[in-house]
Amino acid sequence: QKEVEQNSGPLSVPEGAIASLNCTYSDRGSQSFFWYRQYSGKSPELIMSIYSNGDQEDGRFTAQLNKASQYVSLLIRDSQPSDSATYLCAVNPYSSASKIIFGSGTRLSIRP
Amino acid sequence: KAGVTQTPRYLIKTRGQQVTLSCSPISGHRSVSWYQQTPGQGLQFLFEYFSETQRNKGNFPGRFSGRQFSNSRSEMNVSTLELGDSALYLCASSKQGSPEKLFFGSGTQLSVL
Repeated sequence: QKEVEQNSGPLSVPEGAIASLNCTYSDRGSQSFFWYRQYSGKSPELIMSIYSNGDQEDGRFTAQLNKASQYVSLLIRDSQPSDSATYLCAVNPYSSASKIIFGSGTRLSIRP
Repeated sequence: KAGVTQTPRYLIKTRGQQVTLSCSPISGHRSVSWYQQTPGQGLQFLFEYFSETQRNKGNFPGRFSGRQFSNSRSEMNVSTLELGDSALYLCASSKQGSPEKLFFGSGTQLSVL
């Protein structure tokens, strides 16, 4: 079983709708959770971090964490064509240091 | 502030050769992590260095090694290259106090023929 699992997609969402991306992780002791966005041919960039159960909102993005279910999600409201990218879920199983484990990513396509 | 700089951008090698990749982190960042990205496996953690010490290591064979210098610049070396080593190698730096927030370089695309 992979440590961080995501549906590879592609996920096609109409412009203006809500895009919902999901991720599960296997290490129950994981401490912190991230969403990175990677445009084609570019390197990943951090867009959201979440550390405790519940929701974390930043503009059109909301990250949701449920540690009991070992589940992380990312909601993108009012989806724009510029949101078309691969979204990588990432987990740090440690309380310090950096050994970020990435999922294989979900490819999101926003159709006009 | 300049971002993470990786050199070279592209590299073509043949099986059996060795290669050294370089990474300069963002100024002030002391942690450097290396990742291998392939279409099939996604982003896989190689190792992390902090203050010239390897702090974490992924599940890669001993042919993959790295080091960090006193100015936080890091190098990664792959010896006895195999066809399966063809990948995008990404370096990321992070600052003390936020070790998990990674800032990635543009990567080195390695092709092994």
